[in-house]
Amino acid sequence: LAKTTQPISMDSYEGQEVNITCSHNNIATNDYITWYQQFPSQGPRFIIQGYKTKVTNEVASLFIPADRKSSTLSLPRVSLSDTAVYYCLVGLRGGSYIPTFGRGTSLIVHP
Amino acid sequence: NAGVTQTPKFRVLKTGQSMTLLCAQDMNHEYMYWYRQDPGMGLRLIHYSVGEGTTAKGEVPDGYNVSRLKKQNFLLGLESAAPSQTSVYFCASSYLTGIDEQYFGPGTRLTVT
Repeated sequence: LAKTTQPISMDSYEGQEVNITCSHNNIATNDYITWYQQFPSQGPRFIIQGYKTKVTNEVASLFIPADRKSSTLSLPRVSLSDTAVYYCLVGLRGGSYIPTFGRGTSLIVHP
Repeated sequence: NAGVTQTPKFRVLKTGQSMTLLCAQDMNHEYMYWYRQDPGMGLRLIHYSVGEGTTAKGEVPDGYNVSRLKKQNFLLGLESAAPSQTSVYFCASSYLTGIDEQYFGPGTRLTVT
């Protein structure tokens, strides 16, 4: 079972690019990497999922190196509204094991 | 399409009282989950269900019971509430299990005094 490690907190300023890295050294061959975002007083919401290389959507980009032992969530030009907790999860699509959310990374964006 | 809804949004209980939290989803998802979130603790899985009529224990099941009598509903019960169960409870559902996308409800803030 892949265990993930990510920073507890990060600070940034409006307009900057933010990169949050998640380590998952024992990721299995068929595991995917998923990131969620949780705003204060709300439930988490899925933002991006990937298997290898790079995935981009309207919210973020996900960079996965060839060895897949880590991944980086990239938020371009953050605003105050990107202040949230970001969770990295690793697991099988359709697998019986339900990945745990852990404590996530608390990102605070300053004016 | 309401997604995942939770009832109630807030509740205050006295120690020893019982209550049931209701989660409903209209996406025809097979899988449903109950989590609790405490300050600085992230989300911890309480119980989950892989289909109508089935339930299974998660990381922190003690003190809670669940039922999934209908596919669209997942109930979380506290038979004898304790202050340690003061938390925010989130329900979620998904089409597949594992790493598949989970859709979360807005949460229920429960205080046990």
